[in-house]
Amino acid sequence: GDSVTQTEGLVTLTEGLPVMLNCTYQTIYSNPFLFWYVQHLNESPRLLLKSFTDNKRTEHQGFHATLHKSSSSFHLQKSSAQLSDSALYYCALNNYAQGLTFGLGTRVSVFP
Amino acid sequence: ETAVFQTPNYHVTQVGNEVSFNCKQTLGHDTMYWYKQDSKKLLKIMFSYNNKQLIVNETVPRRFSPQSSDKAHLNLRIKSVEPEDSAVYLCASSHRGINTGQLYFGEGSKLTVL
Repeated sequence: GDSVTQTEGLVTLTEGLPVMLNCTYQTIYSNPFLFWYVQHLNESPRLLLKSFTDNKRTEHQGFHATLHKSSSSFHLQKSSAQLSDSALYYCALNNYAQGLTFGLGTRVSVFP
Repeated sequence: ETAVFQTPNYHVTQVGNEVSFNCKQTLGHDTMYWYKQDSKKLLKIMFSYNNKQLIVNETVPRRFSPQSSDKAHLNLRIKSVEPEDSAVYLCASSHRGINTGQLYFGEGSKLTVL
């Protein structure tokens, strides 16, 4: 079945440094939809980025990601982390039959 | 702005009791879901409901059952709760089409089973 693998556990970094969260996926569909969701403390997950187009960079709120079907990847990057980026990040894959399949989540903690 | 509404947001109960969570979406979406987020923050889909078609995750215990009156409502009933049911239950909706798969989540319903 479909699966999503992302950077595990906790990522800690200093404010101003770049951040990169890895995401790879497996699916039987040739045209998957990939997503990054962000969940701040005591909130629900909300959409950060999405992509359907191969090799096209998508950006939002300083974050960017590019879907690479050749490597089944959709890594999330930001050039300069802010304190407010501390949150839980999920990579997700659209299972057209049943909604999104989420990765295990990566917790990011940004320190001053 | 919240457009997926869940009640209650918190519920504490004892093993063996019945619990129901309600969910309503005002986005005009045609598909609704229930996800379970456990203490490790794992997000697992439980049910999806579209045009009266229910798709069940086969790993969901039979004591869980979704109930829908129309495409804007999808409730979750747990017949006899067990300690491992303690989690946050997230309702979500989406619309098939251009934004296929993009989910809009409610605030969550946190269940604690004593």
